[in-house]
Amino acid sequence: VLTQSPLSLPVTPGEPASISCRSSESLLHNRGHFSLHWYLQKPGQSPHLLIYSASNRPSGVPDRFGGSGSGTDFTLKISRVEAEDVGVYYCMQALEPPYTFGQGTRLEI
Amino acid sequence: EEQLVESGGGLVHPGGSLRLSCAASGFTFSRYWMHWVRQVPGKGLLWVSRLNEDGSRTDYADSVRGRFTISRDNAKDTLYLQMNSLTVEDTAIYYCARDVSGADDSWGQGTQVTVSS
Repeated sequence: VLTQSPLSLPVTPGEPASISCRSSESLLHNRGHFSLHWYLQKPGQSPHLLIYSASNRPSGVPDRFGGSGSGTDFTLKISRVEAEDVGVYYCMQALEPPYTFGQGTRLEI
Repeated sequence: EEQLVESGGGLVHPGGSLRLSCAASGFTFSRYWMHWVRQVPGKGLLWVSRLNEDGSRTDYADSVRGRFTISRDNAKDTLYLQMNSLTVEDTAIYYCARDVSGADDSWGQGTQVTVSS
């Protein structure tokens, strides 16, 4: 089970933001990485990957997004929030199927 | 341009069936695990199923196992989801996704499935 907090996050543009995701069990994969991933679903769009394996940014994701954590506790940080960052943020574990998502955190400006 | 385009959604009665398709283009489809993920509008995400590159391995969420079947045709660059014995709880937007949680993660725009009498 993945538990996100907070579920709602009002932020001011230019300020930092942080979302927590806690797992009920360790997400350490046998290949040595943590199988915890972060998605953003902007209004009216499908989700897209922000961070994979706890701390890696796919190509094209701005460097203001960063992920950290290990074991069961993970954090997504936005160094300086921009207006385009509004939407719902989900953490997801892909350690083994069935993959599961957190409840989502709604970021609002 | 890399694209995933879902189709086949619609309105179906409880107990009925639907087959969703996901047409891939702009990349080598046969190199990737493919997934279906669904979302009740306004609610969270639920992973449904995945299939490996050659179609020999499948995994399902408990809520759909035995009713849904994922498959692919690499010659046609198309992913499928056969959904049988549908219930109102299966009503959702169904997304096709490539390489979920990997560096090449990419999702389609989704297709709406509504199960209602």
